[in-house]
Amino acid sequence: GESVGLHLPTLSVQEGDNSIINCAYSNSASDYFIWYKQESGKGPQFIIDIRSNMDKRQGQRVTVLLNKTVKHLSLQIAATQPGDSAVYFCAENFGKTSGSRLTFGEGTQLTVNP
Amino acid sequence: DGGITQSPKYLFRKEGQNVTLSCEQNLNHDAMYWYRQDPGQGLRLIYYSQIVNDFQKGDIAEGYSVSREKKESFPLTVTSAQKNPTAFYLCASRETENSNQPQHFGDGTRLSIL
Repeated sequence: GESVGLHLPTLSVQEGDNSIINCAYSNSASDYFIWYKQESGKGPQFIIDIRSNMDKRQGQRVTVLLNKTVKHLSLQIAATQPGDSAVYFCAENFGKTSGSRLTFGEGTQLTVNP
Repeated sequence: DGGITQSPKYLFRKEGQNVTLSCEQNLNHDAMYWYRQDPGQGLRLIYYSQIVNDFQKGDIAEGYSVSREKKESFPLTVTSAQKNPTAFYLCASRETENSNQPQHFGDGTRLSIL
């Protein structure tokens, strides 16, 4: 299953399928990007990050892809499990001399059906 | 375990009352942050602190105040001037303000109006 971020804030997939969550970021000068997972009633949990000098980074069952040309970030989750159901946020980091800031997207709700 | 502790988990405010949300971290991080999250939305930055005895306004600082007297503590006061305080408040920390490191979050305080 695949989402397009703000235009489709929910994504529903079957257990075992691969999920792709997309994010369009705003600032071409952003140099660092993070994906967070937020379960209901809890704080965001770090999943994976990527620096702007890379275009792909892999973790355990997750892969982040960065396309700086079109300012697009995606999170791929392999073999999605019911425990992956949550809201997923991307965040971009920019600004060094005046203090860097994280700006968060609005999130995508991922629902995994057993 | 190292981490960020927010208290209380639930808080109720009467009209005209100031309330203070606690955030404590034992990660030895220099930078700390307060965010507000409204239902179905991303995180918005209220205040942040790069170092002890210093803090800056974020994007939605009106009606809020903070202090940073100790490295491990960054309390947020929601004043009576904040007319729409009902939200989920999240505290985060990062090793330093200018590092390409993720912010780590507490599990939030949910504030409601009586």
